[in-house]
Amino acid sequence: DTGVSQDPRHKITKRGQNVTFRCDPISEHNRLYWYRQTLGQGPEFLTYFQNEAQLEKSRLLSDRFSAERPKGSFSTLEIQRTEQGDSAMYLCASSFGPLDQPQHFGDGTRLSIL
Amino acid sequence: GENVEQHPSTLSVQEGDSAVIKCTYSDSASNYFPWYKQELGKRPQLIIDIRSNVGEKKDQRIAVTLNKTAKHFSLHITETQPEDSAVYFCAASNPMNRDDKIIFGKGTRLHILP
Repeated sequence: DTGVSQDPRHKITKRGQNVTFRCDPISEHNRLYWYRQTLGQGPEFLTYFQNEAQLEKSRLLSDRFSAERPKGSFSTLEIQRTEQGDSAMYLCASSFGPLDQPQHFGDGTRLSIL
Repeated sequence: GENVEQHPSTLSVQEGDSAVIKCTYSDSASNYFPWYKQELGKRPQLIIDIRSNVGEKKDQRIAVTLNKTAKHFSLHITETQPEDSAVYFCAASNPMNRDDKIIFGKGTRLHILP
């Protein structure tokens, strides 16, 4: 399978714990995006990378959130001191080239905070 | 920044009939408009996209129209089938925008009635 893959698919954790998600983009894609999706809403942009550089961060991304993309390949999204409001589906997408090229999504990581 | 409004939020059509979903956007400089289909528990999948240099694009039973003057674009699905039941998201982006991100609508849940 050469699509975008995300791990884990589901994560259940207690409030206050740290969690880390991984995204492996399509190999030739230089752009990688993180989104958050809650029930009944469209994906909300969190941040994106062009190669290894993080070029934009949404105001939704508080200082508890951090993302990395070492070597311009896979990316990780970490949430520290999780809160109830962090419960959501976290989607990763990748594309090749500028923003008017199609983004391909992964299956997402569903985070549930107890 | 860009704002995308999508309606209706829910749409039920008889199998075989046509479905139309409409979106409006606020940034007149936006020039890329993708549509995504998301089935329950699955990733958003790009079904069609249009760029601002054309007014209409078709792919089999799916078509998208764009009215740049009015800043709205629509998804048309003809001869609907049960497998068309899903949530559909429109989106808009302006690659020249410093923020450089795609903004999604809130989605339309399409039900195809037997």
